[in-house]
Amino acid sequence: GENVEQHPSTLSVQEGDSAVIKCTYSDSASNYFPWYKQELGKRPQLIIDIRSNVGEKKDQRIAVTLNKTAKHFSLHITETQPEDSAVYFCAASMGSSASKIIFGSGTRLSIRP
Amino acid sequence: GAGVSQSPSNKVTEKGKDVELRCDPISGHTALYWYRQSLGQGLEFLIYFQGNSAPDKSGLPSDRFSAERTGGSVSTLTIQRTQQEDSAVYLCASSLALAGAYEQYFGPGTRLTVT
Repeated sequence: GENVEQHPSTLSVQEGDSAVIKCTYSDSASNYFPWYKQELGKRPQLIIDIRSNVGEKKDQRIAVTLNKTAKHFSLHITETQPEDSAVYFCAASMGSSASKIIFGSGTRLSIRP
Repeated sequence: GAGVSQSPSNKVTEKGKDVELRCDPISGHTALYWYRQSLGQGLEFLIYFQGNSAPDKSGLPSDRFSAERTGGSVSTLTIQRTQQEDSAVYLCASSLALAGAYEQYFGPGTRLTVT
């Protein structure tokens, strides 16, 4: 089936520490893996994405890693700041078209001052 | 430029009534998605339109839900005989869906409350 599992559902880290969120997907044809951030009362916004031909991608304090063999990918946030507090969603494309996107259940990240 | 817009922003309806939710995607975006987000929950896939292809309706929870996209642009999600469990925020997103350009842009959502 078409499924994306995300863990943990909640995560609390001390400001300045790192946060890691992990996802697994079911469709071996998946080739596009975006991450979205949703602040309270706002719409989800893309923060980083990775294609299947790349194992890792970085953008300042955010990095995503992909293991296609194991069908899992992870989001890493370093030097966390209060403004990183939000709900984070992983997602994966389903099928060969790469444009049907299925989301994980979300991780509520809280940064402790 | 203009982003994805949705209307109404809020809708309160009585159980058993029909509702229509509207989505205006970004001009030129060929892919359009509907998701449902219950309070504190994830994004549940409902339906997906891609160009002139038949829509992928595999996420619609029951036959009370339907959607159409006219002229490859505006989309309407219709819920018939609404139930209390239909209460949620309904999010629409669009994307170019071309090689290298799959980012989804979300609308502000329609908050549906069924009393």
